[in-house]
Amino acid sequence: DIVMTQSPDSLAVSLGERATINCKSSQSVLYSSNNKNYLAWYQQKPGQPPKLLVYWASTRVSGVPDRFSGSGSGTDFTLTISSLQAEDVAVYYCHQYYSSPLTFGGGTKVEI
Amino acid sequence: QVQLVESGGGVVQPGRSLRLSCAASGFTFSNYGMHWVRQAPGKGLEWVAAIWYDGTNKYYEDSVKGRFSISRDNSKNTLYLQMNSLRAEDTAVYYCGRDAQLVPGLYYCDYWGRGTLVTVSS
Repeated sequence: DIVMTQSPDSLAVSLGERATINCKSSQSVLYSSNNKNYLAWYQQKPGQPPKLLVYWASTRVSGVPDRFSGSGSGTDFTLTISSLQAEDVAVYYCHQYYSSPLTFGGGTKVEI
Repeated sequence: QVQLVESGGGVVQPGRSLRLSCAASGFTFSNYGMHWVRQAPGKGLEWVAAIWYDGTNKYYEDSVKGRFSISRDNSKNTLYLQMNSLRAEDTAVYYCGRDAQLVPGLYYCDYWGRGTLVTVSS
């Protein structure tokens, strides 16, 4: 099974400042035949289901603010919120869909 | 608009069974793979199972293999999760999710239901 390790577990960021969340997979999630990283990022607010933010490691979902960006390849990935807004307070999860069983990181709680 | 509505959750004793349903609307259900993902109280997300658009391939997380069974009825636009031999550690909110890609395989979920709570307790 591919283990997804996120860091930090939580972080507090001032409004307008940058938030950086890291995700490391225990093996590469880069599929060589199509050069795609099978990695997604989700945002979850209390009492709500997860919301897809980024897929293929760096493709932002339509309608997601451009302050959210995903980067990385292979085993190391980052979700960056360039200028934190109050509505960004949530838990963020990375997720690999390279192989079954699909797995999620443990989550990173972002607070103001 | 895409809607996924889970039902069937509740309180059940250890060792008993429960069947969850996920009613889909707003898209051509038979074209998409589907997933179940759960979240124990105060914990993170855990993928449980997935099924291809036509039901021919099914995948499970190790701890539920042999106990849970995912299925679908494309004529009813409904996804199911049959859960047998339930354990306390199966207590969670169970979400259904639509696989985002219109090709066979397992990918990420682009739409999620609001979940149904399963509590396994004596």
